[in-house]
Amino acid sequence: GENVEQHPSTLSVQEGDSAVIKCTYSDSASNYFPWYKQELGKGPQLIIDIRSNVGEKKDQRIAVTLNKTAKHFSLHITETQPEDSAVYFCAASPAGGTSYGKLTFGQGTILTVHP
Amino acid sequence: GAVVSQHPSRVICKSGTSVKIECRSLDFQATTMFWYRQFPKQSLMLMATSNEGSKATYEQGVEKDKFLINHASLTLSTLTVTSAHPEDSSFYICSAKLTEARWAPLHFGNGTRLTVT
Repeated sequence: GENVEQHPSTLSVQEGDSAVIKCTYSDSASNYFPWYKQELGKGPQLIIDIRSNVGEKKDQRIAVTLNKTAKHFSLHITETQPEDSAVYFCAASPAGGTSYGKLTFGQGTILTVHP
Repeated sequence: GAVVSQHPSRVICKSGTSVKIECRSLDFQATTMFWYRQFPKQSLMLMATSNEGSKATYEQGVEKDKFLINHASLTLSTLTVTSAHPEDSSFYICSAKLTEARWAPLHFGNGTRLTVT
């Protein structure tokens, strides 16, 4: 089965700095890679996703890059703000067919943005 | 606003009783929903795939007789934890595909915190 490794487990930055979280996956059949933000006591919130036919995607302060050859993908948050503080999870899923939507999650990264 | 709704958000039950958790898709039909479990300070683990009109498929190691899943309509899936024990205490979260499109985003509910005493 799929295995997703996420690093770092904790990340502390100053407000305005950038934050980068990296994930690797093992299954070459995975081709959909979402990122979720989870606040305490709540469900994960989809913040950005990328498909295997795209190398990079950006949405305002958030960007994701994907290297399918190396099987790794990264989340980049620029100009961080205290409200970005949360746990971030990467995930991987095969696209299409009956397996799509079965997400394998990374271990999570606790991001703390200091004012 | 939320596209997937879960109820209840918190439940406390006594050991040996059963608890039902509901997952609803709001304003869209979901033929497939997914149930995850999350222990404190850990990641989410997929438990089962809920299919409308057919039996759920369970991940390896998940007891299907313990965690009963029913997907009776295109907007509702339920997870029933039967004969709950303290080790079943966890955060249960459902997700659904927004559409049947190949790359449809997967949205999660706000979870249900189950505490078994």
